[in-house]
Amino acid sequence: AQSVTQLDSQVPVFEEAPVELRCNYSSSVSVYLFWYVQYPNQGLQLLLKYLSGSTLVKGINGFEAEFNKSQTSFHLRKPSVHISDTAEYFCAVSPGSARQLTFGSGTQLTVLP
Amino acid sequence: EPEVTQTPSHQVTQMGQEVILRCVPISNHLYFYWYRQILGQKVEFLVSFYNNEISEKSEIFDDQFSVERPDGSNFTLKIRSTKLEDSAMYFCASSGLSGSSYNEQFFGPGTRLTVL
Repeated sequence: AQSVTQLDSQVPVFEEAPVELRCNYSSSVSVYLFWYVQYPNQGLQLLLKYLSGSTLVKGINGFEAEFNKSQTSFHLRKPSVHISDTAEYFCAVSPGSARQLTFGSGTQLTVLP
Repeated sequence: EPEVTQTPSHQVTQMGQEVILRCVPISNHLYFYWYRQILGQKVEFLVSFYNNEISEKSEIFDDQFSVERPDGSNFTLKIRSTKLEDSAMYFCASSGLSGSSYNEQFFGPGTRLTVL
């Protein structure tokens, strides 16, 4: 079984500041890793995914994440946030052989003017 | 841009009643999923569906739940006899068979189910 831990439930940050949202996972098998974003009253939108290859993954809206196998982490970063980045961010994993996603509890990112 | 749609956006029902939540996946996708999120809790996997049968299901997906693809476009989740603890946001998702959509699940906006 897999599990995902998002250590920060809320992250307030000022506009144009950098941000890192933390995600750690545990699994007995190799996994695929994902970050989803949820804007108010909308569904989950994929930001980026790690399947294999380069451990630094770039996604939409200027976000990137780095897969660290030894630390079982997949932290999400953005060098300069905008007000429009205010949303809930979910880290998720799926076992390589199956498709079900296991989600973390989410991190609410609030960008302050 | 193609998207997953769900109806209704909000469903209110009495405990013990049957509800059907509807989803229209992206048209060329072949894998379909239901997830739910109880208020304040994690998004949880319920079931995945491929080739007209369930391919995976979680412990949550007991005999009260069923899924169906009644025609070429809809994918439904039925809860036979709703309980108070079924109150949650239910998300439908779909993914493709190959290419870039193979490992990406596209989510709908959700149906908020309230059981009174």
